Amino acid sequence: QKEVEQDPGPLSVPEGAIVSLNCTYSNSAFQYFMWYRQYSRKGPELLMYTYSSGNKEDGRFTAQVDKSSKYISLFIRDSQPSDSATYLCAMTSYGNNRLAFGKGNQVVVIP
Amino acid sequence: NAGVMQNPRHLVRRRGQEARLRCSPMKGHSHVYWYRQLPEEGLKFMVYLQKENIIDESGMPKERFSAEFPKEGPSILRIQQVVRGDSAAYFCASSPRPEAGELFFGEGSRLTVL
Repeated sequence: QKEVEQDPGPLSVPEGAIVSLNCTYSNSAFQYFMWYRQYSRKGPELLMYTYSSGNKEDGRFTAQVDKSSKYISLFIRDSQPSDSATYLCAMTSYGNNRLAFGKGNQVVVIP
Repeated sequence: NAGVMQNPRHLVRRRGQEARLRCSPMKGHSHVYWYRQLPEEGLKFMVYLQKENIIDESGMPKERFSAEFPKEGPSILRIQQVVRGDSAAYFCASSPRPEAGELFFGEGSRLTVL
């Protein structure tokens, strides 16, 4: 079983729709959870950073963590064409030197 | 406030040559990480360094790859005798809070081996 599972299938949505992305993980020690946005040929940009379970909202973006189910989600409201990118989930435990990444989810927002 | 700076952005090497990738962390950060991204794959950890110290190189291939972060100057990821399988994007990251995994990445160096 992979440490982090993220369905890489491309996701196409019309402009204004809600985008829903998720990752599952197997390591119960993970407690720091991140979502990165990566535009084509660019570096990953830290989008959301959360600690432990719960919700975090930042503008049109909401990150949710359910540690009991080992499941994290990212929601993008009122999606825009500029949101078209690959979204990577990542996670780690305290003092761990590495992030475990999902494979990434390509999102296309159609005008 | 400059972000993580990487150069070169693109590098082409022939099989058997050496590749050197450089990274300067964000101002005030003294911890540097190197990750590799293969096509259609997620980012894979390679090495974690502080100034003059390799803290964790458990993700580095045992041969041909080395990394350093000298007291002065950028961190260097060195790949000797490159092979086609080394073609990838190499990303450097730095962190203000390494214990909590908050990493900020550079734009990457894309290595193509002919």
